[in-house]
Amino acid sequence: DIQMTQSPSSLSASVGDRVTIICQASHDISNYLNWYHQKPGKAPKLLINDASNLETGVPSRFSGYGSGTDFTLTISTLQPEDIGTYYCQQYDNVPWTFGQGTKVEIK
Amino acid sequence: EVQLLESGGGLVQPGGSLRVSCAASGFTFSNYAMSWVRQAPGKGLEWVSAISGSGSTTYYADSVKGRFTISRDNSKNTLYLQMHSLRAEDTALYHCAKGGLGLVAAALDFWGQGTLVTVSS
Repeated sequence: DIQMTQSPSSLSASVGDRVTIICQASHDISNYLNWYHQKPGKAPKLLINDASNLETGVPSRFSGYGSGTDFTLTISTLQPEDIGTYYCQQYDNVPWTFGQGTKVEIK
Repeated sequence: EVQLLESGGGLVQPGGSLRVSCAASGFTFSNYAMSWVRQAPGKGLEWVSAISGSGSTTYYADSVKGRFTISRDNSKNTLYLQMHSLRAEDTALYHCAKGGLGLVAAALDFWGQGTLVTVSS
């Protein structure tokens, strides 16, 4: 199975800060990497597909980058509604696997 | 508007069986792959199973292979997950999620709120 490792596990930042979350795959997954955001008590929401394609309706402050084994999700200007947990997910190989999540809080 | 409404969760004893369902609307159900993803209380996301739009292709996580069966009824716009030999570690909120158009391997672009399955004596 392909292991997905996210860092950090949690972070606390101020409104307006630039935030970067890292996701590393144990094997080359090309760009078969998605990012999801889950607010407390809610279903996950797809933010970015294929490593860098922003989903329709997702604010442009979100961006994704990477290929192979190393990926990043960046929030250019953190907003209060961005709190919650962010997950990366690979779909290059079954079983599809998620990172353990990065919990984002407002300082 | 896309809607996914899960149902059928509940309390079941270890070794028991349960079938959860997901009623879909707002899109042409038969054209899209679907998945089940679960989340144990306070934990992260775990992909469980996926099925193609026609139902002819299915995939499973090793943790449920041989115990769970994914299926769909395109005439009823409904996805199912039949679970047997349930274990305490299967306790989770089970989400259905909409997948790719014509592709099983794709992003999960819409998720339901989930149905809670609790395995306990």
